[in-house]
Amino acid sequence: QVQLQESGPGLVKPSQTLSLTCTVSGGSISSDDSCWSWIRQPAGKGLEWIGRICISRISIQNPSLRSRVTILIDTSKNQFSLNLSSVTAADTAVYYCAREYDSWGQGTLVTVSS
Amino acid sequence: QTVVTQEPSLTVSPGGTVTLTCASSTGAVTSDYYPNWFQQKPGQAPTTLIYSTNNKHSWTPARFSGSLLGGKAALTLSGVQPEDEADYYCLLYYGAWVFGGGTKLTVL
Repeated sequence: QVQLQESGPGLVKPSQTLSLTCTVSGGSISSDDSCWSWIRQPAGKGLEWIGRICISRISIQNPSLRSRVTILIDTSKNQFSLNLSSVTAADTAVYYCAREYDSWGQGTLVTVSS
Repeated sequence: QTVVTQEPSLTVSPGGTVTLTCASSTGAVTSDYYPNWFQQKPGQAPTTLIYSTNNKHSWTPARFSGSLLGGKAALTLSGVQPEDEADYYCLLYYGAWVFGGGTKLTVL
């Protein structure tokens, strides 16, 4: 089981781009044909799958977010990232990264507010 | 938009057995949907209990089991413990992943 850690700004202004990085330790991000996901959870609500990227660099996004989501992988840094553009208050949530689906990060709270 | 439906809440007595289900708006859930089950306690990240319908991780307690039941994915807890009180989420694969709305399990 690898360890994952999310990092990035905790506060983003409306209309700007939310950018998060997930750093993987205890194993290689490019091993075992793994796929890596981003998931979010607004306060008091359920989990929402945002998207994934596999080591093949093929990325798939939630259709409801697709136009705003970019997920990239950097094997040299053992990291993958999430960019969510044109954010609104509705994007305020705890954001998790995960290796499908045995390992999860602890989550990071991102608040969208001016 | 595909919808995955779970019971919003269930209550079970300690030592009892409870089954949580996960239904798809597209029809019967099969192993091709690779059902995953997660447990989440307040203030914590989710942990994965079951993957690909009925496979357990090394940390999954033996009292948890996954299956397909009546066209749905199912998570059964046998011999429920007080520490099993949590939110449970299923996740199905349609070419993209979709979470169910979650089940709040109360042990009372």
